[in-house]
Amino acid sequence: AQSVTQPDIHITVSEGASLELRCNYSYGATPYLFWYVQSPGQGLQLLLKYFSGDTLVQGIKGFEAEFKRSQSSFNLRKPSVHWSDAAEYFCAVGAMDSSYKLIFGSGTRLLVRP
Amino acid sequence: SQTIHQWPATLVQPVGSPLSLECTVEGTSNPNLYWYRQAAGRGLQLLFYSVGIGQISSEVPQNLSASRPQDRQFILSSKKLLLSDSGFYLCAWGQLKLFFGSGTQLSVL
Repeated sequence: AQSVTQPDIHITVSEGASLELRCNYSYGATPYLFWYVQSPGQGLQLLLKYFSGDTLVQGIKGFEAEFKRSQSSFNLRKPSVHWSDAAEYFCAVGAMDSSYKLIFGSGTRLLVRP
Repeated sequence: SQTIHQWPATLVQPVGSPLSLECTVEGTSNPNLYWYRQAAGRGLQLLFYSVGIGQISSEVPQNLSASRPQDRQFILSSKKLLLSDSGFYLCAWGQLKLFFGSGTQLSVL
């Protein structure tokens, strides 16, 4: 069965600093991988996705993620964090069957220091 | 364009009362539909999904049920709410790339 681990519950960075959020997945085949962002009390917005091809994926709002098969990881990065990036970030792995369901990690809450 | 509507936004219910949360999608046909729950401080747990009218798959045994009476309508229900049913409920549609509703904050008191 697929699963996702986000080992960091909270991360605090200073505005302008770089960011890396960790994500490890478990899946028996080539995974479909996603990063979503959630502002307080809101639904989730897709940041980026990896299906195949180039292992470095660019997303919205200046985010990128790198798929590393050998490490079963899909870490999210941003070179310079803005105060508006404070939110909760979820990594997810997608099923390759007809359900197309996504299994999410437990999330990482990002706090940004001014 | 496609839109997803979820209501109500907030709900406070006593223990033992029934529940009905509704989700509708516009601008697409035969979408895959999903109900997720987000408990305080926890991630998103997939509760149910549906790949077509009348087809419901349950991911975890619990006090809730789901129905899909129409192609673009997905309903989450309970006959008797428990305290542990409190949480933030999200409806979504799509195939791998999911689009989420704005959620329902349910408090069971």
